[in-house]
Amino acid sequence: ETGVTQSPTHLIKTRGQQVTLRCSSQSGHNTVSWYQQALGQGPQFIFQYYREEENGRGNFPPRFSGLQFPNYSSELNVNALELDDSALYLCASSLAGVEEKLFFGSGTQLSVL
Amino acid sequence: DQQVKQNSPSLSVQEGRISILNCDYTNSMFDYFLWYKKYPAEGPTFLISISSIKDKNEDGRFTVFLNKSAKHLSLHIVPSQPGDSAVYFCAAGAGTYKYIFGTGTRLKVLA
Repeated sequence: ETGVTQSPTHLIKTRGQQVTLRCSSQSGHNTVSWYQQALGQGPQFIFQYYREEENGRGNFPPRFSGLQFPNYSSELNVNALELDDSALYLCASSLAGVEEKLFFGSGTQLSVL
Repeated sequence: DQQVKQNSPSLSVQEGRISILNCDYTNSMFDYFLWYKKYPAEGPTFLISISSIKDKNEDGRFTVFLNKSAKHLSLHIVPSQPGDSAVYFCAAGAGTYKYIFGTGTRLKVLA
C-alpha cells in the first residue's frame, strides 16, 4: 500500500508567477483535500475533490484552483502568487464516507519572493 | 473566528509520565474529532479519532476523551516516550468534507 506522495518538496517562486503542485493519493482512496499551513498555524482547508469534481471549498480566492484525475491524483494551481502564499501545502487523501480519516503527504514548501 | 483552539503552544513532560493535550471547540455541530502528530519536514500523521456519540476512545498508549457539554477534548499519552516529541493538532468536522484544525501543541518528552 503506497502512501500519499507530493511533488515537488520545495519550490521558490516570485510574486505574480503561477505554480502547480501535485499529489498522488493513497491507493484505494477516492477523495483528495488540499490544506495550507502557514508558519506557526494549523492546516487550513483549501478545497476537496471527489470523483473529479470540487466537493467543497474553504475561504480561499479563485486564484487557488485544482484538478482531480481519473486515477484520483490531484493538482493544486495557484495563479498570481502573493508573498502571503508562502506556506507548506499539504495534500490529504481519504475514502469518502462517514468519519473520513485524512492521510497526509509530506507537503510542498512554497516560498514566494 | 477560531473554531478549534489549542491554548497551550507547548508542553514538557518527563518520560514515563502522562501527557495531556487539550483542545476546545466552539461549533456544536462538530461531530467528529481527530488528533494528528507532526514531526518536522513531515506531513501530519493520523493518531486517533472520536465521534460525538462516544466520550472515550482508546488505542494503545493513546486515549481521547470528549466532553460535549464543555466542548472540550483531550488526548492522553501514557506512558510518554521521547519519540512522542512532536507537534500535536486536533481537528474537528461537521459531517462534511472540511476539517478545522487547531494551531497545535508542541510536546517535548524529556528523557
